[in-house]
Amino acid sequence: DQQVKQNSPSLSVQEGRISILNCDYTNSMFDYFLWYKKYPAEGPTFLISISSIKDKNEDGRFTVFLNKSAKHLSLHIVPSQPGDSAVYFCAAKSAGNMLTFGGGTRLMVKP
Amino acid sequence: EAQVTQNPRYLITVTGKKLTVTCSQNMNHEYMSWYRQDPGLGLRQIYYSMNVEVTDKGDVPEGYKVSRKEKRNFPLILESPSPNQTSLYFCASSYSTGFEETQYFGPGTRLLVL
Repeated sequence: DQQVKQNSPSLSVQEGRISILNCDYTNSMFDYFLWYKKYPAEGPTFLISISSIKDKNEDGRFTVFLNKSAKHLSLHIVPSQPGDSAVYFCAAKSAGNMLTFGGGTRLMVKP
Repeated sequence: EAQVTQNPRYLITVTGKKLTVTCSQNMNHEYMSWYRQDPGLGLRQIYYSMNVEVTDKGDVPEGYKVSRKEKRNFPLILESPSPNQTSLYFCASSYSTGFEETQYFGPGTRLLVL
């Protein structure tokens, strides 16, 4: 059973509006969470991360929120731009450097 | 330019014909790993290596082998490929095994096993 789930396979948003990508996890041992972005024909690239001791981390237009009690995290992109169109993967770590990934959400930002 | 390279980028082969996908990084990273990406399942770790001559299994190691004879290279070997190994493969590396270390990914190798 998948320990990290992204229940929305795709999301379409208008340029300038907010994009919210969601991720749920089941393993309470996960302590560090990351978002990766992937364009076609390229490898995933690191976007933003959050430690379990925080509930929010911000980097420019990107903010990640963590709700440990609900085992839920979300990525907010404000404002969304057409160049943000990509597949976004949520990932988690419990120890060491092993990443457990969600299935991904394809974000489409329409001009 | 700091990067992780993989070769080949695309490969079509037949069942049972041994193949090797190479991975090389120029960042002097200690940690390297292999993932496969399948629709709806995200990326799953196949094998990883914490340093030269140190390798270990990830979540889905069956049917794969790896070696780490040099720090910069981490080839993935499929001794007898089968159709269920058709997938998109990514190599990744990071400076160390620290908890907050970021992994850098290669561009991917798309493999089709007939």
